[in-house]
Amino acid sequence: GAVVSQHPSWVICKSGTSVKIECRSLDFQATTMFWYRQFPKQSLMLMATSNEGSKATYEQGVEKDKFLINHASLTLSTLTVTSAHPEDSSFYICSAKPGLGVLDEQFFGPGTRLTVL
Amino acid sequence: AQSVTQLGSHVSVSEGALVLLRCNYSSSVPPYLFWYVQYPNQGLQLLLKYTSAATLVKGINGFEAEFKKSETSFHLTKPSAHMSDAAEYFCAVSLTGNQFYFGTGTSLTVIP
Repeated sequence: GAVVSQHPSWVICKSGTSVKIECRSLDFQATTMFWYRQFPKQSLMLMATSNEGSKATYEQGVEKDKFLINHASLTLSTLTVTSAHPEDSSFYICSAKPGLGVLDEQFFGPGTRLTVL
Repeated sequence: AQSVTQLGSHVSVSEGALVLLRCNYSSSVPPYLFWYVQYPNQGLQLLLKYTSAATLVKGINGFEAEFKKSETSFHLTKPSAHMSDAAEYFCAVSLTGNQFYFGTGTSLTVIP
């Protein structure tokens, strides 16, 4: 199947700093990418939907200014956690689809573990 | 709004025994339903999906699931568990096949 990568796989940062996480579709062009957050022992929570060349659509309760999403190309989306605080520590997962049809499979990245000290 | 509930955060079965992982959904309109598996340090992998065609869906690695509208369920089964099936399993619902809403996951342990 298609491959989605994330970089870095884990990151530790100080409170107040910003962290950027990259999501790349390696062997297909992704018209749409999605960002999820997973807390320990909990479900994946959809944060936002990212379409190439347009603004991301955020789920209710997700702070747009806190979690900046940029989908600059058909193979790259980035999530920037701005002014990170310990409560932002989590596992962030992205996914990508080659098309928008229901039958188009959504491929998930391996995730990025963020720890904010 | 749509959601899924996975009953049982941990399930243990003996090797060769039946695997049954439960998922119930809530949706105001007929949804699309998915089962994903997550192995340690890997991304989610699609096992199978229901997209309003056949109610009994067969997936990879011998897994299958049956969509039961009357019970709002989409339970995942496998007749005979293998050691390699040990992983985290997630049920997900979507109205469009794009935005997914996941259950809390079920950790499957296979006992030799």
